[in-house]
Amino acid sequence: QKEVEQDPGPLSVPEGAIVSLNCTYSNSAFQYFMWYRQYSRKGPELLMYTYSSGNKEDGRFTAQVDKSSKYISLFIRDSQPSDSATYLCAMSVEGNNRLAFGKGNQVVVIP
Amino acid sequence: EAEVAQSPRYKITEKSQAVAFWCDPISGHATLYWYRQILGQGPELLVQFQDESVVDDSQLPKDRFSAERLKGVDSTLKIQPAELGDSAMYLCASSYRTSGLETQYFGPGTRLLVL
Repeated sequence: QKEVEQDPGPLSVPEGAIVSLNCTYSNSAFQYFMWYRQYSRKGPELLMYTYSSGNKEDGRFTAQVDKSSKYISLFIRDSQPSDSATYLCAMSVEGNNRLAFGKGNQVVVIP
Repeated sequence: EAEVAQSPRYKITEKSQAVAFWCDPISGHATLYWYRQILGQGPELLVQFQDESVVDDSQLPKDRFSAERLKGVDSTLKIQPAELGDSAMYLCASSYRTSGLETQYFGPGTRLLVL
């Protein structure tokens, strides 16, 4: 069993829809929960991160962490064609820089 | 805005040949990482440097892969000999510590195809 599971299925949504992505994990020591966005032929860029449990909002993006269920989510409101990218969840233990990544979800927002 | 630089961007080689990738981290970032990302997968850490010292190379296939960061700035990752299964994107990242999370910044990657 991988430490981080992310269903890699592609997701196509119409412009303006809400995009919902999620990951599950098995390592209860994870404390930092991150979402990276990766455009085609580019390296990943950090979109947002959450420390421990709770919600975090940044503009149209909301990250949620439920440590009791070992489940994290990313929501994109009012999706735009420019949001079309692969979204990777990543996690780390406090004090350890090693990131454990999910497989990524390719999101396509159709104008 | 400062970025992590990598070269070459694309590399095609035949199996059993040697290949090398170069990375120049963001100025002032002491920690440097090399990742391998197979198509359809998330990045996996190969090696982590703190300045010129290797901190973690537990996932580096040392029989064919080597990495160095001689002066604690830029770094080179080498594969010799390359195998078909090495075809992947090789990503370099560098980081600095803020209050808590050590944010990793990724370069554009080198896409390797082994024929």
